[in-house]
Amino acid sequence: QVQLVQSGPEVKKPGASVKVSCKASGYAFSNFPIHWVRQAPGQSLEWMGWINGGNGATRYSQKFQGRVTITRDTSASTAFLEMNSLTSEDTAMYFCARQMRGLDIWGQGTLVTVSS
Amino acid sequence: RMTQSPSSLAASIGDRVSVTCRASEDIGNRVSWYQQKPGKAPKLLISGASSLLSGVPSRFSGSGSGTEFTLTIGSLQPDDFATYYCQHSFTSWTFGQGTRLEIK
Repeated sequence: QVQLVQSGPEVKKPGASVKVSCKASGYAFSNFPIHWVRQAPGQSLEWMGWINGGNGATRYSQKFQGRVTITRDTSASTAFLEMNSLTSEDTAMYFCARQMRGLDIWGQGTLVTVSS
Repeated sequence: RMTQSPSSLAASIGDRVSVTCRASEDIGNRVSWYQQKPGKAPKLLISGASSLLSGVPSRFSGSGSGTEFTLTIGSLQPDDFATYYCQHSFTSWTFGQGTRLEIK
């Protein structure tokens, strides 16, 4: 079936970087954009950016521009989110989601904890 | 920016409830609505302001265009108590602050 499976939880120290993966199956990866959304504990959803699965074009939220990089490996049907200069405020659940009219398929989420 | 209201809402089984989102500029019909339960990923309910996703109960409906949008649940069922978010897909993909729907 159509699904997105994300990599496991991460614990990082302040100032470090993290890279989260999102593997797609059950559909043609290159035909749909993948978005990244995060949710801090008890907070709302926050859109981070997206990547065109076909040509690799990206667009980022102004808040994350320069600190976040979204890439993809079409041969592996996988998208990646990399974020650097982590602080405690980056502790959150990170979700990937496929775009088809809305964000119709979501990964299970990856918990990133930033703590010294 | 999307301004969502109310931030929380208490209602009873069978009630009709509505959640509103206001955009800071004309965004046409580029609004989606999501339901999220604790510990789970969001679930897409409505796209294009009013198109119900396949498999979503018909008691859910969306309306609006331009700057004001509404999600309505016609007759609340136990499974509907959750948090609801609007999202626009205009220049970026911004979410509203969420509406927590609780049992009265």
